[in-house]
Amino acid sequence: EVQLVESGGGLVQPGGSLKLSCTASGFSFSGYDIHWVRQASGKGLEWVGRIKTKPETYATAYVTSLQGRFALSRDDSKNTAYLQMNSLKTEDTAVYYCARRRYPNSFDIWGQGTVVIVSS
Amino acid sequence: DIVMTQSPLSLSVTPGESASISCKSSQSLLHGDGYYCLDWYLQKPGQSPQLLIYLASYRASGVPDRFSGSGSGTDFTLKINRVEAEDVGVYFCMQVLQTPVTFGQGTRLEIK
Repeated sequence: EVQLVESGGGLVQPGGSLKLSCTASGFSFSGYDIHWVRQASGKGLEWVGRIKTKPETYATAYVTSLQGRFALSRDDSKNTAYLQMNSLKTEDTAVYYCARRRYPNSFDIWGQGTVVIVSS
Repeated sequence: DIVMTQSPLSLSVTPGESASISCKSSQSLLHGDGYYCLDWYLQKPGQSPQLLIYLASYRASGVPDRFSGSGSGTDFTLKINRVEAEDVGVYFCMQVLQTPVTFGQGTRLEIK
C-alpha cells in the first residue's frame, strides 16, 4: 500500500524543540518532493515547507513566517523525511501533515497527521 | 506571496443538485509548460485532505467524474454535479506555481 506515516508529535513547552518524521512505504520515496502542511484546530491549511529530491540538491523552501525556526531534511535510505522544529511557539500548535509531490501530479498522497501541542 | 481567495465560504446543497466553488489567485498561475498550477482538495470530517483536481482540470485517480475543474489565468472553478452525502467536507484550492505554496480559506459544503 502506498502511504506516508507521520510520527513524533506531542506536547512541548514554548521555546522547546520537536522533530517530526514522515516515513514512506509502497513507492519510490527518493523520486518525490515531500511537503509539510499544518492545520490548527478548526482552521484552514497552511503550507510549512518542502524538500526536493537529490537531483535537485535536496533544495528546501519554507513559509516566510517561520523565520528560520524549522528545518527540513530527508534520508532516502530510510524512506523518511524530517521536520525539525525549534523555538516552538503556542501558535505552532497544529496537526502536521506530510504529502508527496512529483510534477505534474500534486499532493496525491497525504499522511494521517501528527499532533503538536505547544503549551506550558 | 500569491493570495488565494475562495467563495463562497460555505454551501448548503440538496442531494442531486450541483455546486460550484470559485477560487481566485492574486496572480496568474500559468506554468511555463502551459498548465495552470492550481489544485483542489477535499478534507472530509476527521480525515486528511485528498486530492480531487490537479493542474486546474485533471481529475485525480479514483475521483468520480461528478467533479470537474476549470479556469485559467487567475480564475478557477470546481463544479460538483449530482452532489451526494459523501461529498460533505471542506474544499480547498491551492496554488503550487511558486513557493510559498498557498491555500484558499476553504469552502464548507453541507447537505440540506
